[in-house]
Amino acid sequence: EVQLVESGGGLVQPGESLRLSCAASGFTLSNYWMHWVRQAPGKGLEWVSYIHSDGSNTGHADSVKGRFTISRDSAKNTLYLQMNSLRVEDTAVYYCVRDSSGLGDYWGQGTLVTVSS
Amino acid sequence: VMTQSPLSLPVTLGQPASISCRSSQSLVHSNGNTYLNWFQQRPGQSPRRLIYQVSNRDSGVPDRFSGSGSGTDFTLKISRVEAEDVGIYYCMEGTHWPPWTFGQGTRVEIK
Repeated sequence: EVQLVESGGGLVQPGESLRLSCAASGFTLSNYWMHWVRQAPGKGLEWVSYIHSDGSNTGHADSVKGRFTISRDSAKNTLYLQMNSLRVEDTAVYYCVRDSSGLGDYWGQGTLVTVSS
Repeated sequence: VMTQSPLSLPVTLGQPASISCRSSQSLVHSNGNTYLNWFQQRPGQSPRRLIYQVSNRDSGVPDRFSGSGSGTDFTLKISRVEAEDVGIYYCMEGTHWPPWTFGQGTRVEIK
């Protein structure tokens, strides 16, 4: 059974850093493109980052470019999102999402990141 | 830009429902495929993909859900709305990545 379990969210102050993790099970992470998608409280879905199955190619939304970095550890079958210089507007639930026949065949339960002073 | 309409859709149980999604540019990829997906987000839950590449239902999705369209205009139809269909529905384009772009969402509620 495919499962994606995010962790690492919490309350931080503006300017601080946080690293999110997404533990995958039931499939091999490195065989798929993977994404992070976020949802601010009461708002819609926003794509954040992707990593190609080759592990080398990545991309980020303009809103997080230069501050967020997506990566993975194939040995641990885990996806990461390193978030630096966090802003109040980064407050959201962050979802780990698999890409098979396009983005979104499996989603995690999400982890809440709150940026507030 | 992905534009959904309506943004709110009150429906009667057992009646059909339709959501429109329009793109500001054609979603036909150079490989001939069209990467337009539909997602359902029930209250308090993670999103779930219903439809990929315009009209392909994901595994386990009831056949009362169907997707259609081409180019810039797409539609998600629910043939007979059930209580469990309440939630927010999003379209998303994956042709002109990055970024992958979602519509604003359409809230489906029971009258």
